[in-house]
Amino acid sequence: QKEVEQNSGPLSVPEGAIASLNCTYSDRGSQSFFWYRQYSGKSPELIMSIYSNGDKEDGRFTAQLNKASQYVSLLIRDSQPSDSATYLCAVNQNTDKLIFGTGTRLQVFP
Amino acid sequence: SQTIHQWPATLVQPVGSPLSLECTVEGTSNPNLYWYRQAAGRGLQLLFYSVGIGQISSEVPQNLSASRPQDRQFILSSKKLLLSDSGFYLCAWSVGLGEKLFFGSGTQLSVL
Repeated sequence: QKEVEQNSGPLSVPEGAIASLNCTYSDRGSQSFFWYRQYSGKSPELIMSIYSNGDKEDGRFTAQLNKASQYVSLLIRDSQPSDSATYLCAVNQNTDKLIFGTGTRLQVFP
Repeated sequence: SQTIHQWPATLVQPVGSPLSLECTVEGTSNPNLYWYRQAAGRGLQLLFYSVGIGQISSEVPQNLSASRPQDRQFILSSKKLLLSDSGFYLCAWSVGLGEKLFFGSGTQLSVL
């Protein structure tokens, strides 16, 4: 079982819709969770971090964490073509390093 | 504010040649430093991390090595490159171990 799993996609949504990206993790002791956005050929950029159960909102982005079910999700409201990228989920499984998922490719079409 | 510099942006090297990639961080002291590799269409693989000068932890046995000669400088090296060393190399820093990472702009390495 992979430690951090994401659907590779592509996830295609129309402009203005809500994009929902999901991530599951294997270690119940995980404490910290992060979402990164990576444009093709570029380095990952941190967009959200979440540490406790529930929702955390930042502009058009909402991160949702459910430790009991071991998943973390990212919602992007009012999706724009500029949101088209690969989204990486990263989890600190109570160790000294982050474990990354392989990413979900999001395509927002006009 | 903190910034991280990584160079070169692209590199084409023949098999068997040496490698040296450099990364420096500005605006913070005693950062944790990391080298990741991302192969085409694959996830991020942690290669090395360092919590201080001269302290290197290796995650994957291979023909690469890392060094940290100064507090904010991290170097990735190889004596002889293999075809399988091709990939996108990313340097990153964090305040605490296992905490959020901030990445440099990356080096696209092609070994031919």
